[in-house]
Amino acid sequence: AQKVTQAQTEISVVEKEDVTLDCVYETRDTTYYLFWYKQPPSGELVFLIRRNSFDEQNEISGRYSWNFQKSTSSFNFTITASQVVDSAVYFCALSVGANSKLTFGKGITLSVRP
Amino acid sequence: DAGVIQSPRHEVTEMGQEVTLRCKPISGHNSLFWYRQTMMRGLELLIYFNNNVPIDDSGMPEDRFSAKMPNASFSTLKIQPSEPRDSAVYFCASSWGERRYQETQYFGPGTRLLVL
Repeated sequence: AQKVTQAQTEISVVEKEDVTLDCVYETRDTTYYLFWYKQPPSGELVFLIRRNSFDEQNEISGRYSWNFQKSTSSFNFTITASQVVDSAVYFCALSVGANSKLTFGKGITLSVRP
Repeated sequence: DAGVIQSPRHEVTEMGQEVTLRCKPISGHNSLFWYRQTMMRGLELLIYFNNNVPIDDSGMPEDRFSAKMPNASFSTLKIQPSEPRDSAVYFCASSWGERRYQETQYFGPGTRLLVL
């Protein structure tokens, strides 16, 4: 069975602070995919990134960066110089094999105060 | 390009009534997923289709729930009869599914269902 743990439930920071959202996953499969989605107050789910288990290269996209470490089964997400618009619930998700369902973590509510 | 389209966006109904949620996937996508989001259980998969065929319906709560995908551009999720515990946000997602790898699932705006 697959499992995603987002131990942090709520994080509050002041604008311009850096913040890291943690994600730990469990699976016995060697081929799997990791995702991050953002759910702003309006409610939609916005795709941020996909990573497969064979690519441990970290990725940076603007103020966003992701650190994938198979040794610790973690896929952490860092927002640099946070902004109020970053306030949202962030979900980490896992899928195993090809063309299958997403198993979501419980989500982390990030509040960025001006 | 149009994203995943869901209707209605909001639905308020009374216990015992039939509810039908609709989804139009992104054109060209061949996999469609129905998820439900509640405070207690978070986001969980109900059912998914590949090439209009149901692949995994193990998440469907009970016989009151049914889903169909009559063609590549339309799917329905029906609850009959509805109960207050069905109140949730229902998301539809679609992706281009290949056997070799997992493509990204893109989500619709969701249908917020309230059963009184």
